[in-house]
Amino acid sequence: LAKTTQPISMDSYEGQEVNITCSHNNIATNDYITWYQQFPSQGPRFIIQGYKTKVTNEVASLFIPADRKSSTLSLPRVSLSDTAVYYCLVAEGGSQGNLIFGKGTKLSVKP
Amino acid sequence: DSGVTQTPKHLITATGQRVTLRCSPRSGDLSVYWYQQSLDQGLQFLIQYYNGEERAKGNILERFSAQQFPDLHSELNLSSLELGDSALYFCASSASRGYIYGYTFGSGTRLTVV
Repeated sequence: LAKTTQPISMDSYEGQEVNITCSHNNIATNDYITWYQQFPSQGPRFIIQGYKTKVTNEVASLFIPADRKSSTLSLPRVSLSDTAVYYCLVAEGGSQGNLIFGKGTKLSVKP
Repeated sequence: DSGVTQTPKHLITATGQRVTLRCSPRSGDLSVYWYQQSLDQGLQFLIQYYNGEERAKGNILERFSAQQFPDLHSELNLSSLELGDSALYFCASSASRGYIYGYTFGSGTRLTVV
């Protein structure tokens, strides 16, 4: 499974757009890029998944360049409730499905 | 409510004891995954079951075991407990055997070993 690298922490203010970049240089052809959000003492929550180009849902956007060696999670107009840890994962499609979590990025949103 | 139910929510037990954690997957999901989250190790994948059969093993200790029953609920058994086993244990479920889309996680069981 491709290893991911993302910033340990980020600070932002309410109303700003937050972009969290993740690098995955060894991503394979069958791999998906997926992001999870975790609040303290809660289970991770799936946010978004993509393979290439751009994916958008009601919560976030995911930008993936053509070489797929990195991806950027974009959270529009964050609020205090977006304070959480965000995990970038690379999942091998059709594999046994054991998602490997890294340390994640701790996002702190300030008023 | 994610649809994945874990019981109990909290568990306090003494070293050397044995406990059982229970997970009911989301309706229709056949795969169950167990994860351990401690402060120093982050989220560690333990084991996956699909439709009653073990599919993948991660960093699961020999003192730990799991199974998935015909009704698809799963149990994680932790024995000869040590202080270092104190952690949050999460169960997740998905519809497929292999990876296609995101997992749904439960709210976890917090185990404290004293």
